Amino acid sequence: AQSVAQPEDQVNVAEGNPLTVKCTYSVSGNPYLFWYVQYPNRGLQFLLKYITGDNLVKGSYGFEAEFNKSQTSFHLKKPSALVSDSALYFCAVRDRTGRRALTFGSGTRLQVQP
Amino acid sequence: DTAVSQTPKYLVTQMGNDKSIKCEQNLGHDTMYWYKQDSKKFLKIMFSYNNKELIINETVPNRFSPKSPDKAHLNLHINSLELGDSAVYFCASSQDPARGPYNEQFFGPGTRLTVL
Repeated sequence: AQSVAQPEDQVNVAEGNPLTVKCTYSVSGNPYLFWYVQYPNRGLQFLLKYITGDNLVKGSYGFEAEFNKSQTSFHLKKPSALVSDSALYFCAVRDRTGRRALTFGSGTRLQVQP
Repeated sequence: DTAVSQTPKYLVTQMGNDKSIKCEQNLGHDTMYWYKQDSKKFLKIMFSYNNKELIINETVPNRFSPKSPDKAHLNLHINSLELGDSAVYFCASSQDPARGPYNEQFFGPGTRLTVL
């Protein structure tokens, strides 16, 4: 079975401060990992993904994520938060067979205060 | 130029009715999906079609019937609607995950279904 945990329902951060949204996963073998963002009343938008290689993945809008195999984590980060980053963030995992559906975490609401 | 589109955006209906939601993608993808997002924002896969063939059916009641007339379209028909069907339904598409499981999915804007 594969699963994703996003331990924080909400993360609050002041504009200009660094932000981290946590994600841990469980999957057989090596994973493919994804982050998506959902703005209010919109569909999910792809931010970044980990396939292989460099553990630090850079994505859209200045976001990056760090893959840590020993801790089975894939935390989303940004050095300086913007108010416009306020949204719902989903982590997702899939095993390398591709036979299973993408499994999403429960989502973390990021609130960036001006 | 919309990549994944869904109609309607909002759907309000009475219990017991039958309704359909349409989805189209112009990305040339082989695989399409339906997801349900509940009021707590949990996102759950319902169906996946690859080249018009059903490949994933995640214990969805058989009142829900997906139909794929071609690989660019995946419609969702729901019979005998119940209160618990109220949710936001998202369509998505991707390249065939069996050949490229690292490929991301592209989501439509969602259809908010309210059953009264």
